[in-house]
Amino acid sequence: QKEVEQNSGPLSVPEGAIASLNCTYSDRGSQSFFWYRQYSGKSPELIMSIYSNGDKEDGRFTAQLNKASQYVSLLIRDSQPSDSATYLCAVISRDDKIIFGKGTRLHILP
Amino acid sequence: KAGVTQTPRYLIKTRGQQVTLSCSPISGHRSVSWYQQTPGQGLQFLFEYFSETQRNKGNFPGRFSGRQFSNSRSEMNVSTLELGDSALYLCASSVDGGRNSGNTIYFGEGSWLTVV
Repeated sequence: QKEVEQNSGPLSVPEGAIASLNCTYSDRGSQSFFWYRQYSGKSPELIMSIYSNGDKEDGRFTAQLNKASQYVSLLIRDSQPSDSATYLCAVISRDDKIIFGKGTRLHILP
Repeated sequence: KAGVTQTPRYLIKTRGQQVTLSCSPISGHRSVSWYQQTPGQGLQFLFEYFSETQRNKGNFPGRFSGRQFSNSRSEMNVSTLELGDSALYLCASSVDGGRNSGNTIYFGEGSWLTVV
């Protein structure tokens, strides 16, 4: 059973600090990795995608991928109250199925 | 450009009934996938359609089915509803769904199904 694991949280981070969200996956053949943000009662929206080892930065967000260790992380710099949401890690496995983690609830403390 | 549109947004059904949910993908997107989201299980993949063919399927019973039309619009059907089918059903579309092509998956707002 291919799995994507995330700490469910809640992760509480002071406003202005760096929030670090982590995700591990079991399928070594996975090639595509995504982070989605989901506000309560809303559908997921794409934050970042990453396909190769290393870091990818987009504004306040940085995605990090380490295929050897099978983990992907998301850093949010200068955290804002509007960043409070559930963050879903998603992985496309070698058989083209997208598998989501159960999400990490992030709470930014004003 | 219009996003992914799902109808209906909210519905209540009784056990044993069946339900059909509809999804219109973003214009130009040919891959449509469906997901069930519940507090306990998170977001789970149901199936994916591409060019009117089911290309991938998750681990759900046969009561869950879907189809895609020539205009890429998709429907999913759940027969013989059970209380545990109460969930948010999300539809997502992408250009072609390929894992190595950098396809981005865009979600609709979802259909909230309550089974009583």
